Amino acid sequence: EVQLVESGGGLVQPGRSLRLSCTASGFIFGDYAMSWVRQAPGKGLEWVGFIRNKAYGGTTEYAASVKGRFTISRDDSKSIAYLQMNSLKTEDTAVYYCARDLGYCTNGVCRVSGDFDYWGQGILVSVSS
Amino acid sequence: DIQMTQSPSSLSASVGDRVTITCRASQSIINYLNWYQQKPGKAPKLLIYAASSLQSGVPSRFSGSGSGTDFTLTISSLQPEDFAAYYCQHSYNTPWTFGQGTNVEIK
Repeated sequence: EVQLVESGGGLVQPGRSLRLSCTASGFIFGDYAMSWVRQAPGKGLEWVGFIRNKAYGGTTEYAASVKGRFTISRDDSKSIAYLQMNSLKTEDTAVYYCARDLGYCTNGVCRVSGDFDYWGQGILVSVSS
Repeated sequence: DIQMTQSPSSLSASVGDRVTITCRASQSIINYLNWYQQKPGKAPKLLIYAASSLQSGVPSRFSGSGSGTDFTLTISSLQPEDFAAYYCQHSYNTPWTFGQGTNVEIK
């Protein structure tokens, strides 16, 4: 069974940093791209960024609202994706979800598709003084 | 950036009703369109990908159609567990963006 579990959230002051983790199980983590998506309280969904799998370079892309402040990385040996959030702003307050990319897969190697087939339960990040 | 606009923002329906939600993209996204269901306090769930492909395990009462800029999610016979928020999302290029959501409420 595919499972994604986020951790590391909490209350943080503006300007400070926080790192979220997404621990995966039930699938070959290294085969898939992973995304982070957030949802501000009472609002809709916003894609934050993604990281490709190593077969496609492990490169990243970000939404303009977080580019230069947030960094996504991965440790395939531990099946964990990370979201490093620096220079946090009050408008970053949200529930953060990690999501597996459905992918366009050939012979077990998956190119990023932008479709999110499994999601974690989400974790709240509150940025406030 | 491609803007996604859903309509209506909310609707009230009864069990057994046929429900249709539309999503319009600000430019052609071919068929790079997904639909998600989200219940309160829960993570979104993928229902439809590539505009019309039913995700594994999703009931067949859900269907998607459309191409280019106009897309539709249809629930053929609304069930009690279908009362939720629904979001469309394009995956044509980054940034991937979502519609503002449609709340399906009990009439």
